[in-house]
Amino acid sequence: GEDVEQSLFLSVREGDSSVINCTYTDSSSTYLYWYKQEPGAGLQLLTYIFSNMDMKQDQRLTVLLNKKDKHLSLRIADTQTGDSAIYFCAESTKNFGNEKLTFGTGTRLTIIP
Amino acid sequence: GAVVSQHPSRVICKSGTSVKIECRSLDFQATTMFWYRQFPKQSLMLMATSNEGSKATYEQGVEKDKFLINHASLTLSTLTVTSAHPEDSSFYICRVQGLADLNTEAFFGQGTRLTVV
Repeated sequence: GEDVEQSLFLSVREGDSSVINCTYTDSSSTYLYWYKQEPGAGLQLLTYIFSNMDMKQDQRLTVLLNKKDKHLSLRIADTQTGDSAIYFCAESTKNFGNEKLTFGTGTRLTIIP
Repeated sequence: GAVVSQHPSRVICKSGTSVKIECRSLDFQATTMFWYRQFPKQSLMLMATSNEGSKATYEQGVEKDKFLINHASLTLSTLTVTSAHPEDSSFYICRVQGLADLNTEAFFGQGTRLTVV
């Protein structure tokens, strides 16, 4: 079965790096995603990683994937106040041609001035 | 990239009435649309998957007679919450998937905040 877990809260000082962690259980995942959700808004795709990669960097964002441990992390360098949001990881599996996304519980990132 | 428009963004309705939420794919053909609901401070839970021209597939525990999904065209899917109750108050979000293998993209609507009073 699929189960995706995240810590619920993370507080980081402005300018420091934020690391948000995620664990998943389905070894057949094809892609793993990170989404950002600001209050009252939909989901914004931040980045993704293919399951046969172990790292991806995109400007301030670094995704690390440990497939053996089924552990995914998102590092945000030089965290800014605008990074305050809830961050969801999601694993993707194919289901009869449809891409099924299973979301984690979300991590609320709070920036301390 | 694809743009998904979800309407309305907010709606307040009385108990017992029905509410329709629209999800439109503006610049590509969405063969599949997914509907999620999100309770406060919780994750997104998949409610149903709809393929254009066929009946929606509902997840376990989701009442198909209460949450009516229509996916009549490649650009429009609707979710109707029938006989709404306060416990149906939630954030509803659609997601679209197109014909191409867009594994790297998963396009979401802006979401609809439903409040049933």
